[in-house]
Amino acid sequence: NAGVMQNPRHLVRRRGQEARLRCSPMKGHSHVYWYRQLPEEGLKFMVYLQKENIIDESGMPKERFSAEFPKEGPSILRIQQVVRGDSAAYFCASQYLNEAFFGQGTRLTVV
Amino acid sequence: RKEVEQDPGPFNVPEGATVAFNCTYSNSASQSFFWYRQDCRKEPKLLMSVYSSGNEDGRFTAQLNRASQYISLLIRDSKLSDSATYLCVVTPTGTASKLTFGTGTRLQVTL
Repeated sequence: NAGVMQNPRHLVRRRGQEARLRCSPMKGHSHVYWYRQLPEEGLKFMVYLQKENIIDESGMPKERFSAEFPKEGPSILRIQQVVRGDSAAYFCASQYLNEAFFGQGTRLTVV
Repeated sequence: RKEVEQDPGPFNVPEGATVAFNCTYSNSASQSFFWYRQDCRKEPKLLMSVYSSGNEDGRFTAQLNRASQYISLLIRDSKLSDSATYLCVVTPTGTASKLTFGTGTRLQVTL
């Protein structure tokens, strides 16, 4: 399966803990986009990364959120000190010829 | 004003009906336009791109009106399997770029 892979599919964290979401893009792709979908809302762009480089982080909250895409391994979206408002579905995507292919998402629940 | 606006619905239609969704966008520099489909708790998937000349794919027809900054999707002969949320998506440039999503229009096709 050469599609976009995300894990975990579901993640439960208590308030104040850290959440780490992982994404491996399509085979042969060296970039990923992260989006967040809050309940009953549309997807919102968060960050665009290439290997070892953040290209556009204009959608990232200023605090507690960070993203990286190391030379080896998956891209990581890291949320520190999670709050209930962080509960959402987080999708990553590869893009090819203007079509975005999404992973199945990570559903984060903060309790 | 939201960058991409859609009527959230839901649109409840019987099988075989024709249904149309509309979408407006605020950024006149937007260059690429798409309709994505999202099933409940799943990732979005590309339904079709939208071109100024209009385009058709089976029962689905998409139209773009740049002057009015308006996009439409027409579904003919609705099937139960068309039940989903339809997301209007724009990008600011013609190349791979971050996607701006509408909140989606929910369609429920019934017997």
